[in-house]
Amino acid sequence: AQRVTQPEKLLSVFKGAPVELKCNYSYSGSPELFWYVQYSRQRLQLLLRHISRESIKGFTADLNKGETSFHLKKPFAQEEDSAMYYCALSGRGGSNYKLTFGKGTLLTVNP
Amino acid sequence: DAGVTQSPTHLIKTRGQQVTLRCSPKSGHDTVSWYQQALGQGPQFIFQYYEEEERQRGNFPDRFSGHQFPNYSSELNVNALLLGDSALYLCASSFIMRGTGRRTDTQYFGPGTRLTVL
Repeated sequence: AQRVTQPEKLLSVFKGAPVELKCNYSYSGSPELFWYVQYSRQRLQLLLRHISRESIKGFTADLNKGETSFHLKKPFAQEEDSAMYYCALSGRGGSNYKLTFGKGTLLTVNP
Repeated sequence: DAGVTQSPTHLIKTRGQQVTLRCSPKSGHDTVSWYQQALGQGPQFIFQYYEEEERQRGNFPDRFSGHQFPNYSSELNVNALLLGDSALYLCASSFIMRGTGRRTDTQYFGPGTRLTVL
């Protein structure tokens, strides 16, 4: 069974502070990991995926297979980063392309 | 390109009724997935359609059924509605890369349909 856990429902930081949103997963095999973001009154959209190894809007995420984690990090949070963040995984290959989401973390960046 | 579109935006039904939700995928996409998002939860996979067939299904009862049309648009049908079916229903689209047969790993989401069952 595949499962994604985001232990923090709410996270509040001040502008300019570092931020880390935690994500742990359970999957038998090699999953693909994603972070999706939903800004206020907007649709769910992809922020980044581990396979791309890219930095989007200053966010990075490293897949740690030993700890089965995929934490999202940003060194200096901005007010516009305030949003709902979902960690998600899917299987690789075959027909297992369904996304399994965590419950999400609401990030608030205070001025 | 308007991206993924869904209709209606909101819907109110009573228990026992049936409902049909609609989704048009992003231009160039041929695969549609449906998700249910209950309040305070992450989206939960219902099923996925490709080439007008259901390819993968999550843990949802048979009351949830779907259809994909030749133009790749899709419908989600829910019969015998229960109070617990109240949720935001999301549609996401992706596409098969020709030549490789692989589906892209990026799913594009629609704005959702808010279903309330009274």
